[in-house]
Amino acid sequence: DGGITQSPKYLFRKEGQNVTLSCEQNLNHDAMYWYRQDPGQGLRLIYYSQIVNDFQKGDIAEGYSVSREKKESFPLTVTSAQKNPTAFYLCASSLTGGAGTEAFFGQGTRLTVV
Amino acid sequence: QQQVKQSPQSLIVQKGGISIINCAYENTAFDYFPWYQQFPGKGPALLIAIRPDVSEKKEGRFTISFNKSAKQFSLHIMDSQPGDSATYFCAPTRSLGRLYFGRGTQLTVWP
Repeated sequence: DGGITQSPKYLFRKEGQNVTLSCEQNLNHDAMYWYRQDPGQGLRLIYYSQIVNDFQKGDIAEGYSVSREKKESFPLTVTSAQKNPTAFYLCASSLTGGAGTEAFFGQGTRLTVV
Repeated sequence: QQQVKQSPQSLIVQKGGISIINCAYENTAFDYFPWYQQFPGKGPALLIAIRPDVSEKKEGRFTISFNKSAKQFSLHIMDSQPGDSATYFCAPTRSLGRLYFGRGTQLTVWP
């Protein structure tokens, strides 16, 4: 089955630690995105990538880092510089070229700082 | 920058009623106008979408109305059901562009 997979579903982090959230897709999509969702805040864009080995900052990139070494994978690292990392993180992918198209989302990773 | 403004923030509708959610956008280069539905603890999923060459699209109980000159599009849910209770996002986009999401509308349909 084609889709987008995020892991883990739940993640606990101690203050001062870096953690990496995984996002893998087998849809052959060029574009991938990371969003953060907080209650009442909607979806805020952290980073996005339109092509392998290239990515752009979104609206709230501070304290986060990404890599795009493979088309299928777009991991997000939440660094110790992120002051309030507890949130629901969503990864998405979409086709590029031609007109805009549907975005497919993973099931999310809920990160909690303990 | 607020490219997309969605309203209302929350909506309570009686079962069988009509739910209407609105989205206003700034960027005239957008060429794809979707609505996403999200249930608690899940990722959003496409509900219905429209291209700018038509003014209305209907899929079952869900209808998108598109007003290009006003730079607005709306979602109408007819005969609203408790199972429609979810958060709805508009997310206009264009080719090679990032996604712009509205802040979301939390819909509650009570029996």
